[in-house]
Amino acid sequence: QVRLVQSGPEVKAPGSSVTVSCKASVGTFVKYGISWVRQPPGQGLEWMGGIVPIIGSPNYAQKIQGRVTITADESTSTSYMELSSLRSDDTAVYYCARVLVSNHHLTVIDYWGQGTLVTVSS
Amino acid sequence: DVVMSQSPDSLAVSLGERATINCKSSQSVLYSSTSKNYLAWYQQKPGQPPKLLISWASTRESGVPDRFSGSGSGTDFTLTISSLQAEDVAVYFCHQYFYSPFTFGQGTNLEIK
Repeated sequence: QVRLVQSGPEVKAPGSSVTVSCKASVGTFVKYGISWVRQPPGQGLEWMGGIVPIIGSPNYAQKIQGRVTITADESTSTSYMELSSLRSDDTAVYYCARVLVSNHHLTVIDYWGQGTLVTVSS
Repeated sequence: DVVMSQSPDSLAVSLGERATINCKSSQSVLYSSTSKNYLAWYQQKPGQPPKLLISWASTRESGVPDRFSGSGSGTDFTLTISSLQAEDVAVYFCHQYFYSPFTFGQGTNLEIK
């Protein structure tokens, strides 16, 4: 059974940082990658970036590059997404997702975590 | 960035009738070397994460009812629900995973008429 369990909701002040974790089933990182996708309330989906853990180098959306850091700890099957310099428009549900890998490249997302609501408010 | 444009934004269909959702990409997502289209369809119900229905434009995922089908190639794609059931009420998204940054359509809200 595929499991992606994310950390709990966060409330953060503008300008601060947040880290969301995503614990995957053991062995996930051997064959799969991880993407992070966010969804503002009532809106669509935005891909933030992803990582193929066996390769190690993350790939970020240029729009958010410089504020986001995605890592993967193979020893604990956990991925982390850190977002800095938070603004009110960063308020969203943040999802981690398992990604099929082909020739070391991320392809289709096949399973999603339950989501983590991050609220940015003063 | 590759723009994914879905139509319509909202759709109301009677139970048992066909529902058709279109998705157009601003660039072709067909990889000519493999003849694979890097296009997926997801279903999202309120308060839930998206669920993968179709990958590679037309491959139905295991466990997805066969009333769901995907078609198209290059820049134009379609998700068809052949006979709408009550449990199909949801928002549907297309998604291209060929070009980074990967992008999603804006979503189509499917309701019962």
